[in-house]
Amino acid sequence: GENVEQHPSTLSVQEGDSAVIKCTYSDSASNYFPWYKQELGKRPQLIIDIRSNVGEKKDQRIAVTLNKTAKHFSLHITETQPEDSAVYFCAAPFNTGKLIFGQGTTLQVKP
Amino acid sequence: NAGVMQNPRHLVRRRGQEARLRCSPMKGHSHVYWYRQLPEEGLKFMVYLQKENIIDESGMPKERFSAEFPKEGPSILRIQQVVRGDSAAYFCASSPNGGPHSSGELFFGEGSRLTVL
Repeated sequence: GENVEQHPSTLSVQEGDSAVIKCTYSDSASNYFPWYKQELGKRPQLIIDIRSNVGEKKDQRIAVTLNKTAKHFSLHITETQPEDSAVYFCAAPFNTGKLIFGQGTTLQVKP
Repeated sequence: NAGVMQNPRHLVRRRGQEARLRCSPMKGHSHVYWYRQLPEEGLKFMVYLQKENIIDESGMPKERFSAEFPKEGPSILRIQQVVRGDSAAYFCASSPNGGPHSSGELFFGEGSRLTVL
């Protein structure tokens, strides 16, 4: 089936610590894996994405890793700050091109 | 270049009424996606449209819900005979590319928040 599983559902860290969110997908043909951040009451916005021809991508404090064999990818946030507090969604495309999202992870960064 | 525009931002309907939500994609984008988000839940795919065509409506409820993206004008998500369970935020997103396993960013609108009394 068309499925993207995301864990954990909630994550609480101290400011300055790292946060890791993991996702698995079911369609081995998926080739694009974005991560979206949604602040309370706002629209989801892309923060980083990775294509299947690379294993890792980094942008300042944010990195994404991809393991195509195992069909999972992860978001890593280092040196977390209070403004990183939000809901994070992973996603993967399926057959027709629709993007299916994971269930979301609520990240709380405590000052 | 204006972003994805959704209106109304907030809509209140009584049970049994109709709700129409509109979405104008970004300029140059011909692919539109609708998602539903219940309070404190994820983004549930509803429908994927290209100009004048429904590409994938596998996430749409079988009854009362319909969507269109005409040649001219915005995409419309229509909910007939609304019930309390339809209360949610409905997000529209657009992209310039589509098709099987397309790899491209979706740009989201601010959402339309439907409340059914």
